[in-house]
Order: sequence, then C-alpha cells, then structure tokens
Amino acid sequence: NAGVTQTPKFRILKIGQSMTLQCTQDMNHNYMYWYRQDPGMGLKLIYYSVGAGITDKGEVPNGYNVSRSTTEDFPLRLELAAPSQTSVYFCASSLNSYEQYFGPGTRLTVT
Amino acid sequence: DQQVKQNSPSLSVQEGRISILNCDYTNSMFDYFLWYKKYPAEGPTFLISISSIKDKNEDGRFTVFLNKSAKHLSLHIVPSQPGDSAVYFCAAQGGSEKLVFGKGTKLTVNP
Repeated sequence: NAGVTQTPKFRILKIGQSMTLQCTQDMNHNYMYWYRQDPGMGLKLIYYSVGAGITDKGEVPNGYNVSRSTTEDFPLRLELAAPSQTSVYFCASSLNSYEQYFGPGTRLTVT
Repeated sequence: DQQVKQNSPSLSVQEGRISILNCDYTNSMFDYFLWYKKYPAEGPTFLISISSIKDKNEDGRFTVFLNKSAKHLSLHIVPSQPGDSAVYFCAAQGGSEKLVFGKGTKLTVNP
C-alpha cells in the first residue's frame, strides 16, 4: 500500500500559469480532501469529495477547481496562478470521514 | 473566526518529562476530536482521537483528555522523547465530513 501519493513534490509557477496537482490513494477510501497550509497557520480546506462524481467547496475554494472521476484520484487544478496561492498543498483521504490519511505535500511557489 | 484554537505556538520540554499540549474549541456541534503530528517536509499523521462521549483516551505514551463543559482538550505525552519533536495539530469535527484544524503547536523535546 502506497497510501496517499502526491505529485509533484515541488513546483514554481509564474503568475497567470496553470497547473494540476495530482493526488492518488490506493486504500479505496470514499472521502478525499485538499488542504493548503500557509506558514504558521493550520490546514485550510480547499475542496473535498465524499465519493466519485461528488465534490464540494471547503473554506478557501477561490482560484481552484477539482474533479473526482474515480475513487482513487482527486486532482486539484489551479487556473491563473497568483502569488497568494504560494503554499504547501496536502491531499488526504478517509474511509469514514474521521481519521484522515495525508500525502507528503506539494510545495508550490508562484512568482 | 477560529473555531479551534491552539494558543501556544511552541513548547519546549526535557526528555523524560511530560508534554502537555492544549486546544480550545468554540463550536458546540463538534463531537469528535483528533490530534495529528507533523514532521518537516512530511504530511500530518494521525496520532490519537476522542469522541465526545468519552473524557479520556489512552494509547501508549499518548493520552487525550476532553473537558466538554470547558470546550477544552489536551494531549499528554509521557515520557517525552526527542523523536516526539514535531508540530502537533488539534482538529475537530461535528455535523459534517470536514475537519477544522488549529494552527499547531511546535513541540521540542530536549535530550
């Protein structure tokens, strides 16, 4: 079991560029989540999904989009990157919406 | 407004002593509480949890206490070890599939 995997580990984007952060889990979990963590702050929920085909907004969804076409994958799309999106992004999954298992994170810098 | 507060950004203890990390919450709907541990450049890992029907949960060196009337929980680590040095996040859930995280407390255990 690889658990939750995220790619890439690091990325530098120019303002206005787009990219997709990949997240895959092999635990057959229904629930998947995207968080961002800014320095000195806790994790803030961007989007989440309770199953394939179902997504919903979290606390800070502006500037992001998600899709959930399969149970395993939950990609996060950034359109028109802005410096405010510089952060560390974590994907997580959960069987029962309680204990969440996190990936190693993607460190994104927008300059 | 912060629904989950960890008022101590950092804590330093000697190896072998007790570490006590505190967390306060404001939302009366929260009925499940979790602690996560995070090392640098890694994703958070689940440590221990407690349901609101209990006031204590123990797992080896880690014990979580819940005081519902005070809306306060604490994580005790006894004895503390240098490998426990990490950032600890308190999280709460209730009424939805979403976790709300505190900002974290950085624990340093000195040899």
